[in-house]
Amino acid sequence: DAMVIQNPRYQVTQFGKPVTLSCSQTLNHNVMYWYQQKSSQAPKLLFHYYDKDFNNEADTPDNFQSRRPNTSFCFLDIRSPGLGDAAMYLCATSSGGAQRVQETQYFGPGTRLLVL
Amino acid sequence: GQNIDQPTEMTATEGAIVQINCTYQTSGFNGLFWYQQHAGEAPTFLSYNVLDGLEEKGRFSSFLSRSKGYSYLLLKELQMKDSASYLCAVVNSNYQLIWGAGTKLIIKP
Repeated sequence: DAMVIQNPRYQVTQFGKPVTLSCSQTLNHNVMYWYQQKSSQAPKLLFHYYDKDFNNEADTPDNFQSRRPNTSFCFLDIRSPGLGDAAMYLCATSSGGAQRVQETQYFGPGTRLLVL
Repeated sequence: GQNIDQPTEMTATEGAIVQINCTYQTSGFNGLFWYQQHAGEAPTFLSYNVLDGLEEKGRFSSFLSRSKGYSYLLLKELQMKDSASYLCAVVNSNYQLIWGAGTKLIIKP
């Protein structure tokens, strides 16, 4: 089945220790997104890729970086995690057609990050 | 600014009907999504409205009034598995998706 996969599902890291979260997709979608979601809050878009074009949200801290080595994979790097970065990190994809239209986003199961 | 307003929490009884409201103020409008999110899981797509009116899909229906900046999600014949958060999200004129914080729906037997 076509899907969005995130690994690991749970990640524990230490304050200040770099951590990488991964996302892969078998949907062959052009667009991939990374969201941060804290308990009972709306998902907050960190950045997205339209194919290889990287789009950073204005209020995304420099501590967060992303890589997309190919269509299928996308990584979220947190350089120096702080206690406030503990959250669920959601990866999503959308097809990214030729025209700029609203598209349904398909989410992976998320990675819950705990910072000690 | 842009904002989406939804009730924080609602409670309903198994077998009943519940309506979850969403009001929005965004820079332009290019459609409205409803997503369901079970605790600790990712959001899953429920519906998309871009024209005024009611869209029915099984037990779930979604309504939109663009002039009022208002939508609702109607859930019929509630089941225990419908206990989840329901997120309203609006596509603005820049095709950015603006998310609400979600409404936590609690179903009681």
